[in-house]
This record gives sequence, C-alpha cells and structure tokens, in this order.
Amino acid sequence: EPEVTQTPSHQVTQMGQEVILRCVPISNHLYFYWYRQILGQKVEFLVSFYNNEISEKSEIFDDQFSVERPDGSNFTLKIRSTKLEDSAMYFCASSENGAGSSLNTEAFFGQGTRLTVV
Amino acid sequence: GNSVTQMEGPVTLSEEAFLTINCTYTATGYPSLFWYVQYPGEGLQLLLKATKADDKGSNKGFEATYRKETTSFHLEKGSVQVSDSAVYFCALRTGRRALTFGSGTRLQVQP
Repeated sequence: EPEVTQTPSHQVTQMGQEVILRCVPISNHLYFYWYRQILGQKVEFLVSFYNNEISEKSEIFDDQFSVERPDGSNFTLKIRSTKLEDSAMYFCASSENGAGSSLNTEAFFGQGTRLTVV
Repeated sequence: GNSVTQMEGPVTLSEEAFLTINCTYTATGYPSLFWYVQYPGEGLQLLLKATKADDKGSNKGFEATYRKETTSFHLEKGSVQVSDSAVYFCALRTGRRALTFGSGTRLQVQP
C-alpha cells in the first residue's frame, strides 16, 4: 500500500541551526502538507503546497519556515534558525484531489519527524 | 473560518464498554468530516470519514454519522478493547483547504 515516508524519524539540533525535514508523498498525489504537534497537544497546520507553490499557510508559518519540492518525489520543510519552541513532531501529509468538484478527500500522513531543539 | 471542537479527555473505560467521543464543527462551505487515530508513538491514521450529510463512516467497529442539522460527527464504538487506547482526532476539510483538527481526545481502555 502506498504510504508517505518521512526522514529522519528523530532530529536533534542546536538552537539557531538550520534543519531540513524530508518527506516523500504518495506518488500520484497533488497536494502536500506540513503539520506539527507539540508534545501532547493538538495537531497544527503549517502549510499546504500545490502546483509548485504554497496554496495556504497558517500564522505559525513565518519567515523562518520554507518549503520546497526539489524534484519529482521529495517535499521538504526548512527551518532556518531553530528555536526551542520549534521542538515538536512534524508530520507530512499528501492528498489526491479529483477533477472538478471531487474535493474534500482525506490526507495520508507520514510517521512524523520528532525535532528536538536544545 | 473552520473549527472543530472535541470533548476533553482523557476518557477512561473498561474493556467492552460503550464509547462516545463528541465532535462538533463550524465550517465555511460544505465540509467532509474525518476521524483520525494516533496510537502511542505513531503517526496519524485515517479511521473513518463521511463526505455528505447523513453519511455514516465506519471502520474497525467505530462509527460516526455526519449530522448537518447539529453540525456534529460523534465517534462511537459498542465495545472497546485495550488495543483501542489511543488519541482520537476529529477533523474537517472544505474544498482545497487543509484539514482542520480538533484538540484530540485520549482514550484509555483498562482490562
């Protein structure tokens, strides 16, 4: 069964360092997302990406964050200068949208990358 | 905007008890509704979904009915097992927008 894969599963970084979280979405999907979950808290939307550009972003997704689809398979989230409060589980997701009005399909999530900023 | 409200947890039940986790929503447009489950140490898995009013989503003994008149999508299971212990998230999506999640409800099932 196709799945979303994320690497690494756990990343430890020093405050102020740049990190790149990597994701391989399901191959025929068109929409890609990043979410984060601070330990024990709700799942928060960061950004969605469609047709090689950001289609929606939350107030959390400030200038410290960027996303990229560098090739036909990878989807990355970069945090330029990490802060302690960036420590969280980061989930990548993808969804397939049908043509016309066949929207509202579910998103498939990866297993997450646990980012720890020290 | 879109928002989802779930009952606070944790919910602690004995094995074979009946489960209800309440979920209500507000949405601009006509949403699809979802329940996702997160087992300890794992990612989010889709449990069930419903895309229009009066649809019932079901999976693994769990059910939820899309109630447009009460803007609700309550999750139910007739007889829970220890293996159902997890965090359950209600979510919605409208059009091309990203999923909006509720705060999650932790379920603990005791043998």
